[in-house]
Amino acid sequence: AQTVTQSQPEMSVQEAETVTLSCTYDTSESNYYLFWYKQPPSRQMILVIRQEAYKQQNATENRFSVNFQKAAKSFSLKISDSQLGDTAMYFCAFMKQGLNDMRFGAGTRLTVKP
Amino acid sequence: NAGVMQNPRHLVRRRGQEARLRCSPMKGHSHVYWYRQLPEEGLKFMVYLQKENIIDESGMPKERFSAEFPKEGPSILRIQQVVRGDSAAYFCASSPEQGDTGELFFGEGSRLTVL
Repeated sequence: AQTVTQSQPEMSVQEAETVTLSCTYDTSESNYYLFWYKQPPSRQMILVIRQEAYKQQNATENRFSVNFQKAAKSFSLKISDSQLGDTAMYFCAFMKQGLNDMRFGAGTRLTVKP
Repeated sequence: NAGVMQNPRHLVRRRGQEARLRCSPMKGHSHVYWYRQLPEEGLKFMVYLQKENIIDESGMPKERFSAEFPKEGPSILRIQQVVRGDSAAYFCASSPEQGDTGELFFGEGSRLTVL
């Protein structure tokens, strides 16, 4: 079974600074996807960034980037130039390629302070 | 192109009543997934359906919970004889193909409160 662990229940960062959210996962699979989702107070699940395990290059989306360490089974999210609108719960998720069962971590509550 | 539509957004039921949550997938999507989110927790997979078929219900409680995705109309998650522990946000997601794009598109969720 795949498990996803987010060891930081809460984090805070000053506006305009950089913050890194940690995620580790456990799997015996070689082909899979990893995701970071953002859940603001509206509770909508918003995809922030996605990484295919077969790609060595780290995914980036504007101010969001990941540090994907496949051997270490680590998938951290870096948010640069933090904005107040980044305040939300952030969930790391794993999905085996070809399957439907997306597994989520428990989440990290990020607060961006002015 | 409308996103995944869920209704109702909020539902209040008394213990013992039935709750029905509806989900219309994105246009062109034929795969629907239901997840449950308890307070302060991540989303937990419940069930995966295609039109008229349940593909995987390994995450769904064996009793009181059922799901369907008929040929016409939305997918429905049905909870019979609700208890307080059923209070949660229920999210629906859809995808065009099984796992091929590696992405699910989520609705805004339905929040069930059991009094």
